[in-house]
Amino acid sequence: GQNIDQPTEMTATEGAIVQINCTYQTSGFNGLFWYQQHAGEAPTFLSYNVLDGLEEKGRFSSFLSRSKGYSYLLLKELQMKDSASYLCAPASGGSYIPTFGRGTSLIVHP
Amino acid sequence: DSGVTQTPKHLITATGQRVTLRCSPRSGDLSVYWYQQSLDQGLQFLIQYYNGEERAKGNILERFSAQQFPDLHSELNLSSLELGDSALYFCASSRAGDYEQYFGPGTRLTVT
Repeated sequence: GQNIDQPTEMTATEGAIVQINCTYQTSGFNGLFWYQQHAGEAPTFLSYNVLDGLEEKGRFSSFLSRSKGYSYLLLKELQMKDSASYLCAPASGGSYIPTFGRGTSLIVHP
Repeated sequence: DSGVTQTPKHLITATGQRVTLRCSPRSGDLSVYWYQQSLDQGLQFLIQYYNGEERAKGNILERFSAQQFPDLHSELNLSSLELGDSALYFCASSRAGDYEQYFGPGTRLTVT
C-alpha cells in the first residue's frame, strides 16, 4: 500500500508564499502528482515530478526528493482564488495512476 | 472546462437500487478513469479503461462494474446501493501514454 502524509490545513496571506509538504512511502515509485481541487469541483492537474529537483511553472513550483520520499508544492504571490485543497499523489507500479492523499486545505485571507 | 462530460450531475436514489453513471472523454483520449470521492475516504481510484479494454483496477467493489464502448464513452454501474456509496464520482480521461488526466465535473450520488 501507500502512505501519504500532508498537513490537513494551512492558512496564508494574500501575496505571500506558502509551501505545502508531502511525505510518502510507496513501492515501485514512478513519479508524484500535485492536483488542485476547489470545493465541490473537479481536481485539476498542477504538476508531475519524476526526477529529483524543482520544477517551476508560473506561480507554482513542485519539488521532489525520491530518496527521502518527500515533495513540496510552492505557491508564490498567493491570490484569494488559490484557496483550495491541494492533493499530493504518488504514482507507482509502472502506471500513471495517482494515489491521492487526503489533501491540504489552503485558506488564503486578505 | 476540461472537455470531459459526465451525466447526470446529481442522482438521488434509495438503498438496494442500481444506477448508471455516464462519462464522455475528451476528443482523442483513449483512456478513461473512474474515481470515488467521499468525505471519509478521500479521492480513490476505482478502474481504468483503455480503448475499450480494462487496463487497471483499484478499490472497486464487486457491486460496481464499468465498461467502455466503441465510441470511447464509459459507464459506471453501481448496484445494491448502500448508504456508504453516497459520494462524488469523477471520470477522467487522458491521451495514450500521457500522464495528465483531465477530470469531468463529477456526479454527486446520494443514497437514502
